[in-house]
Amino acid sequence: QLQLQESGPGLVKPSETLSLTCTVSGGSISSSSFYWGWIRRPPGKGLEWIANIYYSGSTSYNPSLKSPVTISVDTSRNQFSLKLTSVTAADTAVYYCARFSRAYSYGFDYWGQGSLVTVSS
Amino acid sequence: DIQMTQSPSTLSASVRDRITITCRASQSISNWLAWYQQKPGKAPKLLIYKASSLESGVPSRFSGSGSGTEFTLTISSLQPDDFATYYCQYYYNYLVAFGHGTKVEIK
Repeated sequence: QLQLQESGPGLVKPSETLSLTCTVSGGSISSSSFYWGWIRRPPGKGLEWIANIYYSGSTSYNPSLKSPVTISVDTSRNQFSLKLTSVTAADTAVYYCARFSRAYSYGFDYWGQGSLVTVSS
Repeated sequence: DIQMTQSPSTLSASVRDRITITCRASQSISNWLAWYQQKPGKAPKLLIYKASSLESGVPSRFSGSGSGTEFTLTISSLQPDDFATYYCQYYYNYLVAFGHGTKVEIK
């Protein structure tokens, strides 16, 4: 059974960099059928897609995001990562990593449990 | 950018009610639309993909329809476990976006 697990600091100071890693187990991140993505849910708000990455390193980003974002992949560790720089309180959210089916459902079919990140001094 | 309008934002209903949630896209997205259910403290769960295909393990009381710009999620007979927040999500030209969500609450 595929599992995804987010890891990273739960508290980040304003203007600093938020870094999260998603570890995939029970399957290969190098599958040609999937993208790997990050989604967040700020408190009291809805879901917001952040970015997707393919195992080859091809990326797509939400053009509406205000904080600069970088998504990367490490196929040797079966992990992908997210960095948001110059964060503000508006980046406080539960961050989810998920698998996106690019060849079948065009939806996120497996999700991590979520990681709460608070931006505060 | 494609704008996605999801309605209503809140829906009050009773057990065994039939309910419908709508998502409208500002331009055609073919059938590249999915629906999710999210409960407090949990990750979203994929219910419907490609507008009308039921994800494995999802009860048949859930159904989706539509193509182009207008899509609906229907729950034919609301069960106690179905009170949650529902989101639509489109995929178009390598970009993904979610609707703003519909909270289904007990009347």
